[in-house]
Amino acid sequence: GAVVSQHPSWVICKSGTSVKIECRSLDFQATTMFWYRQFPKQSLMLMATSNEGSKATYEQGVEKDKFLINHASLTLSTLTVTSAHPEDSSFYICSASSGATSTDTQYFGPGTRLTVL
Amino acid sequence: AQSVAQPEDQVNVAEGNPLTVKCTYSVSGNPYLFWYVQYPNRGLQFLLKYITGDNLVKGSYGFEAEFNKSQTSFHLKKPSALVSDSALYFCAVRLTPRSNYQLIWGAGTKLIIKP
Repeated sequence: GAVVSQHPSWVICKSGTSVKIECRSLDFQATTMFWYRQFPKQSLMLMATSNEGSKATYEQGVEKDKFLINHASLTLSTLTVTSAHPEDSSFYICSASSGATSTDTQYFGPGTRLTVL
Repeated sequence: AQSVAQPEDQVNVAEGNPLTVKCTYSVSGNPYLFWYVQYPNRGLQFLLKYITGDNLVKGSYGFEAEFNKSQTSFHLKKPSALVSDSALYFCAVRLTPRSNYQLIWGAGTKLIIKP
């Protein structure tokens, strides 16, 4: 149980294009989903938190117009990197939590490796 | 500032020996504590968590962690290491109460188990 998938697992795109990453909770309803970015040999950096049906809450320094997050259903959240640039190249990981209490565990997707040329 | 520290960037252990990956935290209130493991080019897998109750928490793959409130620590342990345990381990703390239940992450510890 508690499986989270991400698609695609890796993507290479040209500078200036937009890329959409999907995060799905396969066997539970995710009230809250989180999007992280991880740089090589570093810890996770929380980008934003999204609750189903409402706007995402972005962390300080994260451009909401560049990283568009949509949490349209209890099993799907998407992150769209708009007008991607080489500095956006990174490992993007989503996580999902089934409840709204702080005891709930976050379950992580396998990550998406984005390379912008 | 509230933070989580993993003082060792890397831990080397011989297969079959016990292992410990250290984690200390500096937060206000009563935090909830988590350990996650990350294999190369993969997402994170949940290992265990401490919410309340018994200070010794048992988790996946034979791992356990001991919550020590006086030392504000939550060290990850395993009695006998396997080569397959080699991975990156992250300690995380969830603050309570918070509106978005954000996790504060340690920097990670690379665990290398040698045959």
